[in-house]
This record gives sequence, C-alpha cells and structure tokens, in this order.
Amino acid sequence: KAGVTQTPRYLIKTRGQQVTLSCSPISGHRSVSWYQQTPGQGLQFLFEYFSETQRNKGNFPGRFSGRQFSNSRSEMNVSTLELGDSALYLCASSFDSPNQPQHFGDGTRLSIL
Amino acid sequence: AQSVTQPDIHITVSEGASLELRCNYSYGATPYLFWYVQSPGQGLQLLLKYFSGDTLVQGIKGFEAEFKRSQSSFNLRKPSVHWSDAAEYFCAVGAGNTDKLIFGTGTRLQVFP
Repeated sequence: KAGVTQTPRYLIKTRGQQVTLSCSPISGHRSVSWYQQTPGQGLQFLFEYFSETQRNKGNFPGRFSGRQFSNSRSEMNVSTLELGDSALYLCASSFDSPNQPQHFGDGTRLSIL
Repeated sequence: AQSVTQPDIHITVSEGASLELRCNYSYGATPYLFWYVQSPGQGLQLLLKYFSGDTLVQGIKGFEAEFKRSQSSFNLRKPSVHWSDAAEYFCAVGAGNTDKLIFGTGTRLQVFP
C-alpha cells in the first residue's frame, strides 16, 4: 500500500508570493490533517479535512487555507508569504479521524527569501 | 481544550542504557494518547497509542508507555537504547471522536556509542 505522498519536497519562494502544497493520502483514508513544523514551535495544527469539508481548524491567519477533493487528495495554500512561514509542512492521513493512528508524509520544506 | 507538555527538549544516553521520555497532558476526560518518532528529513511514524484498557501499552521497536491518570502522564520507555533510536520523539493528545490532535514540542534523543 502506497504511503502518504507530499509534493513538492522543497520549495523556495519570496515574500509576498503564494504557494500551493499537495498531499495524496493512503488509499481509503478520508481524514487529512496538515501541520506546520518549526524548530521553536514543534508541530502546530493547521487544519483537518474530511469528505471535502474542513472539520477542524488551528490558530493560523486566513492566509492559510486548504481544500480536499472527492478522491481525498488535499491541497493547502499560503498567500502573501512572510519570512515566518518558512517551515516543514507535514500532511497526515487516517481512516476517518485524527484520533486514529495517522500516517505522515515526508513533508514539504518551504523556504521564504 | 487538551494540551500536552514534553519537559525535556534534549536527552542524551549511552547505547544500551535505559530510556524514559516524559509526557504530561491536560484534559478533563480520558484522552487518546500517542507517541510518534521522527527521523531527520522524514515524517512521523507511530510508535504506540492508548485509547482505553490496559494502562501499559507496547509499541514497535521495543518501546512501551504507561498511562497514569493520577499524574496526567504518558511516559515512553525502552529498557536498552540502540544507536538507531536517535531521533525526535513527539507525544500527542486527542479528545477522541473527530477532534484534532495536539502535539508536544518534542524531545530530541541523542545516543552515544
């Protein structure tokens, strides 16, 4: 069974640009969660999608958004990038709840210049 | 809302020594508890989980954890550490159902030969 796939693995952007990250969950998993990981803050929960609906949301500004498609694939978008958005963005999938074992992708490393 | 604390940012042990990583949580009811491990450049992998029942849970790679309600703790242990255990370890707590998962800030484990 293929694991969680995140693309791209690395991204370099400049301030003010916008970026879209993609996540393909494990087949059959309908819950997809996104996390931001930075050295000082650890893993911060961004949002969770289930059946194309945002079910949970963390404390991030509106510049961070996401969506989920009918095949459970998910994207997250960050607009008007800031230097502080530099981080590893991790996607995790589980069958139907974040409180079940989550399977993580290897992440997208986003660097803002 | 639930929260989780990992008091130790960095721990160093010798290969073959025993290990205990601390995790304290805050939640009014019985939480869903997890330990994940992250190797450099990779996503997180589930080590073990506790939902209910026996308070001593066994996981992969020889790890175990004990849920102590009276101390609001879920410490991770391993009797004999191997060099390959060097990684970052994250404790996570969930409220169950479809609620989001909250991660601690992590403990980095260094193993000396």
